[in-house]
Amino acid sequence: DTAVSQTPKYLVTQMGNDKSIKCEQNLGHDTMYWYKQDSKKFLKIMFSYNNKELIINETVPNRFSPKSPDKAHLNLHINSLELGDSAVYFCASSQVSGAEAFFGQGTRLTVV
Amino acid sequence: AQSVTQLGSHVSVSEGALVLLRCNYSSSVPPYLFWYVQYPNQGLQLLLKYTSAATLVKGINGFEAEFKKSETSFHLTKPSAHMSDAAEYFCAVRVNSGYSTLTFGKGTMLLVSP
Repeated sequence: DTAVSQTPKYLVTQMGNDKSIKCEQNLGHDTMYWYKQDSKKFLKIMFSYNNKELIINETVPNRFSPKSPDKAHLNLHINSLELGDSAVYFCASSQVSGAEAFFGQGTRLTVV
Repeated sequence: AQSVTQLGSHVSVSEGALVLLRCNYSSSVPPYLFWYVQYPNQGLQLLLKYTSAATLVKGINGFEAEFKKSETSFHLTKPSAHMSDAAEYFCAVRVNSGYSTLTFGKGTMLLVSP
């Protein structure tokens, strides 16, 4: 009964590869997000989608491409991975009119 | 624009002592304010939230926070620390309009010693 689930939990890959992270929420929320947590634990918004439409893109390199096939899913595809992409990526969801966001367990991406 | 400042990257307390984690915010419009907790290798869990109702907000695990507009603060407290409270705590702000997103502080690691 996980509210926001993302897979995989861990991802180790080589520089230059392409990888995807999947996220699903069963809360019936309108809005989904991707956040990046760096090695110093700082959390920064990357993207926000509302009802499958991109709302916010916070100056993220275009190697990162989110895709929302429906309002319950938001996937993140990353091309040509770089060492600096190593981080924990969190998916989250909320109601547009609501307050708090609910977070997934995170995907720890390590680029070697 | 909105921002959050958490004073102290680490706070150490003894078990049973008062916990006080500080958060100051900046927002041009009335904010929503939150405290999240992150245990090692886990996601963020909501502790409590302020959404313009009561200024003293009670959350889970015995935590509470008070919204003080005059001081632009939203400090988190707990009367008596438990070992299980050791974690990273994040204060976050979200403006009360449209498609806003959470802006987080840099986090405070709470260390609890026996």
